[in-house]
Amino acid sequence: NAGVTQTPKFQVLKTGQSMTLQCAQDMNHEYMSWYRQDPGMGLRLIHYSVGAGITDQGEVPNGYNVSRSTTEDFPLRLLSAAPSQTSVYFCASSPTFSGNTIYFGEGSWLTVV
Amino acid sequence: EDQVTQSPEALRLQEGESSSLNCSYTVSGLRGLFWYRQDPGKGPEFLFTLYSAGEEKEKERLKATLTKKESFLHITAPKPEDSATYLCAVQLSGTSYGKLTFGQGTILTVHP
Repeated sequence: NAGVTQTPKFQVLKTGQSMTLQCAQDMNHEYMSWYRQDPGMGLRLIHYSVGAGITDQGEVPNGYNVSRSTTEDFPLRLLSAAPSQTSVYFCASSPTFSGNTIYFGEGSWLTVV
Repeated sequence: EDQVTQSPEALRLQEGESSSLNCSYTVSGLRGLFWYRQDPGKGPEFLFTLYSAGEEKEKERLKATLTKKESFLHITAPKPEDSATYLCAVQLSGTSYGKLTFGQGTILTVHP
């Protein structure tokens, strides 16, 4: 039972480079989201999706892009990496009904130099 | 503005020394309050969801309670393996069911 799978686990980027963080879930969940976790800031929502073809912005969307072409996958793109995007990124998924449990992946550690 | 505040920021306990973690919230409408455990280098692991004031849920040495303004995570006779960061998050009414607003977490260390 894989749950929510994130790749890569660790990545170092140079300022200005682009990259994609991958997220896949095998639970047929409609809802998927990306959070970033920074010391003293808690987890903050970047982007989310309520189903294939539907995405929306969260609390801190600037510098990130998402798309949802399938139910299973929800990649997060950094178009031009900046040092301020150094963080730990978590993908989450859940069914969209009351009483749902929200599941998180193991995280992707990104350093931008 | 919707806010979630956890206290204390860090808590050190001796093995067997019971205590409580607090999560206070100021939100326009609460659909649910979630507790997660996070180990170093790992993603948040779901513990409980509470939906209405007066509700309580238990799991091993942990018990979560909810009032109209705050939630407590009570830890009874903790063991070193309970050491982790405990995260509180709220799900707001009128928002997508998967959206959570998190507090900053409480780092719990239990010494043998």
